[in-house]
Amino acid sequence: SAVISQKPSRDICQRGTSLTIQCQVDSQVTMMFWYRQQPGQSLTLIATANQGSEATYESGFVIDKFPISRPNLTFSTLTVSNMSPEDSSIYLCSVQRHTNYEQYFGPGTRLTVT
Amino acid sequence: EDQVTQSPEALRLQEGESSSLNCSYTVSGLRGLFWYRQDPGKGPEFLFTLYSAGEEKEKERLKATLTKKESFLHITAPKPEDSATYLCAVHFRAGNNRKLIWGLGTSLAVNP
Repeated sequence: SAVISQKPSRDICQRGTSLTIQCQVDSQVTMMFWYRQQPGQSLTLIATANQGSEATYESGFVIDKFPISRPNLTFSTLTVSNMSPEDSSIYLCSVQRHTNYEQYFGPGTRLTVT
Repeated sequence: EDQVTQSPEALRLQEGESSSLNCSYTVSGLRGLFWYRQDPGKGPEFLFTLYSAGEEKEKERLKATLTKKESFLHITAPKPEDSATYLCAVHFRAGNNRKLIWGLGTSLAVNP
């Protein structure tokens, strides 16, 4: 497994502003993922962040809205830009240790946009 | 269409009342099926990975099984601390890519 921390754990933001979420892992990992989980819905993958390359975004998510950094093998950030109330959600980072897609999740960041 | 469906959406049990949660999938090229537990306000916690039909895994009161169409998470003599949402996810091959699809989860409440 892995120990994963996220900051902040929650935030309330005004529309039009941006928030950067940090994800820290206790050991080096190649693949990190960013998810969104809205109430009553399944986990939705936003993007895959591999160190040393550009993040790969899923359909419906774009870099201008959700820029991602992956400066090293233990850290990543996700920025939610120009926020609207529809961005209110829980944002989760996860890491994959093996090639079997088994993932381990951070505690999540609960974002409310007013 | 590639799909993962969990049932029931919600389940309420009395302490000690055993039951099963279902995760059915319609994908080809299954590479693995995962079960997670998620407590309110927390990230999903990994429970099991199953790779092939007939495989079983156990952890305390939980036992996961897999067939070619579905997986079951059996909960034996549950306790209130087993209350949580249980998620399944399916990893499969789609052309040259690999994909992971998540179910909506089953919300389990165990009453003392």
